[in-house]
This record gives sequence, structure tokens and C-alpha cells, in this order.
Amino acid sequence: AQSVTQPDIHITVSEGASLELRCNYSYGATPYLFWYVQSPGQGLQLLLKYFSGDTLVQGIKGFEAEFKRSQSSFNLRKPSVHWSDAAEYFCAVLHTGGFKTIFGAGTRLFVKA
Amino acid sequence: DTEVTQTPKHLVMGMTNKKSLKCEQHMGHRAMYWYKQKAKKPPELMFVYSYEKLSINESVPSRFSPECPNSSLLNLHLHALQPEDSALYLCASSQPGSSNEKLFFGSGTQLSVL
Repeated sequence: AQSVTQPDIHITVSEGASLELRCNYSYGATPYLFWYVQSPGQGLQLLLKYFSGDTLVQGIKGFEAEFKRSQSSFNLRKPSVHWSDAAEYFCAVLHTGGFKTIFGAGTRLFVKA
Repeated sequence: DTEVTQTPKHLVMGMTNKKSLKCEQHMGHRAMYWYKQKAKKPPELMFVYSYEKLSINESVPSRFSPECPNSSLLNLHLHALQPEDSALYLCASSQPGSSNEKLFFGSGTQLSVL
């Protein structure tokens, strides 16, 4: 069965520092992978997605992610974090047949001044 | 218009009440979803409607009753809920069968069951 693992429950980075959030997936074929962000009390917003092609994908708000099949990973990165990036980040995979998006447990990002 | 609108934003109800959550989108999406999210947890899929037909029911208790009156509207009817049903209820939409299989989420309804 497809699954997504986010090993870090929370991460704290200084404003201006670089960021990497980890995501590992379990999937038999080429997965459809996503990163979503959620601010408190809000819905989720898509940051970026990977379906096929170039393994380095660019998203909104300066985020990027790299798909590495050999490591079953899809880590999210940002070169310089802003205080407004503090939020919950979810990695997700689209289940075979569509419609069912499976979310990881989430990583809470704290940004310190 | 790239929004999914959910009403109400907050709802407090007793265990004997009947209430409804509403969701609307005007992006022409033909798949609509209900997710339940407990605090500090990821969203969990409840129901999926595709072309106004119920496509997925993730073994949700019958006290939750979804309805899709048309391609733009999605309702979730609530009856005889339990305190453990208190959560953020998120609606989402997508366009099935396209290469853009991403979910557009509403801001959610924060439900408290007393």
C-alpha cells in the first residue's frame, strides 16, 4: 500500500537560513507526489507537485523539491526561510486510480528571529 | 475564481442537533472531497464525489451524510454527532483525469460537538 513518511515532527530554523524537510514514500510505480502547506486554522495550499520528467521541481513561495527514486525521497527545500514560512508542511502521494491523496503526518516548521 | 468556499467557519453543536456544512467551488472541477482533520494530525479522507456521484466512502459513520446537489456544491449533513467528531472539516476539489491532479482546499469548518 502507498504511504508517506515524514520523519521530523517539528523543525526550527533561523530566519534567513536554509531549510530541508524530509519525505519518504512507499509506492510500486512512479508516484504522483505533492507538498502542501497549512497555516493554523486554514486549509491546505499546494506548494509543488511531481508527476514525471525533471526530478527537480519548482514551486510557489521559493520552494523546490527533488524526487530521488533510488532513495524513495521527495525532500522540500528553500534556500532562505522567512518568518511567514512558519506553518505545517505535508508531503502527500496520490493513490493508484486517483482521488485518494495520502498525507504524511506533517512537519511543523518554526522560524526564529 | 480559484477558491473553495466553506460555510460556516465555526460551528458548535450538541449531540442531538442536526446541522449541515456547505462547500462551493466555481472552478469547473468535477471531483469534490470531504476531509476530517484532528488537531496536529494530517487530513483524513471521508468522501469523494466524482461527477456528482459518490465515488469513495472511507467507512464513515452514518451520522455523517454527504450530498452533492450539483457540480459546484457539496454538503455534509451532521446528525447525532459525538464529542470525538470535533475537528476541522475540509472541503476540496480537483479536476479528475487531468494532468493537474492537485487538490484545492477550502479554509475549513471548525466543528465542536458538546
